[in-house]
Amino acid sequence: KNEVEQSPQNLTAQEGEFITINCSYSVGISALHWLQQHPGGGIVSLFMLSSGKKKHGRLIATINIQEKHSSLHITASHPRDSAVYICAVRSYLMYSGGGADGLTFGKGTHLIIQP
Amino acid sequence: ETGVTQTPRHLVMGMTNKKSLKCEQHLGHNAMYWYKQSAKKPLELMFVYSLEERVENNSVPSRFSPECPNSSHLFLHLHTLQPEDSALYLCASSQVLYTEAFFGQGTRLTVV
Repeated sequence: KNEVEQSPQNLTAQEGEFITINCSYSVGISALHWLQQHPGGGIVSLFMLSSGKKKHGRLIATINIQEKHSSLHITASHPRDSAVYICAVRSYLMYSGGGADGLTFGKGTHLIIQP
Repeated sequence: ETGVTQTPRHLVMGMTNKKSLKCEQHLGHNAMYWYKQSAKKPLELMFVYSLEERVENNSVPSRFSPECPNSSHLFLHLHTLQPEDSALYLCASSQVLYTEAFFGQGTRLTVV
């Protein structure tokens, strides 16, 4: 079964700071997702990536397949970025373990950006 | 707004009640999913439907019963739930099975 670890679990920062959230996983994957969950509960898919780097606005996601590690960066953070950020990995079927679709979720990083 | 709509947003029900959660998408997606999110736990996949057929039932108790009458609608029928079933229930859809999913806002369920 693929294990997904996120760090930090909780992060409080000041507006404008550069934010980094990390995700590590234990076995090979076909894709990694970064999701954003706002206090109301709704989840938005931010990125799906299998290699390299993607950028969308102030958000940047990177993945290092060899090191089994991904990072989500937020530049010029803003209070509206406050949310839970969830990493999810899609394993190759032989490693799928928990989720029937081979998708394993991290517990999330609770981010608060103070004005 | 992701294009996936769940109703109701909040639900309080007794252990002897029967209720249903509804999920609707008009994105033209062929796959729909029910997830459960309990406090302090990762998301758990409950059910998967592809082209209105159930693909996976991830060891979910029979007090949860899904229904997919067409590719745009997904229901989760609830009966004789337990307090530990209190959680956020999220619906998602994807264009093709097991590709990038779009999530609804969730239904916050409290069982009393």
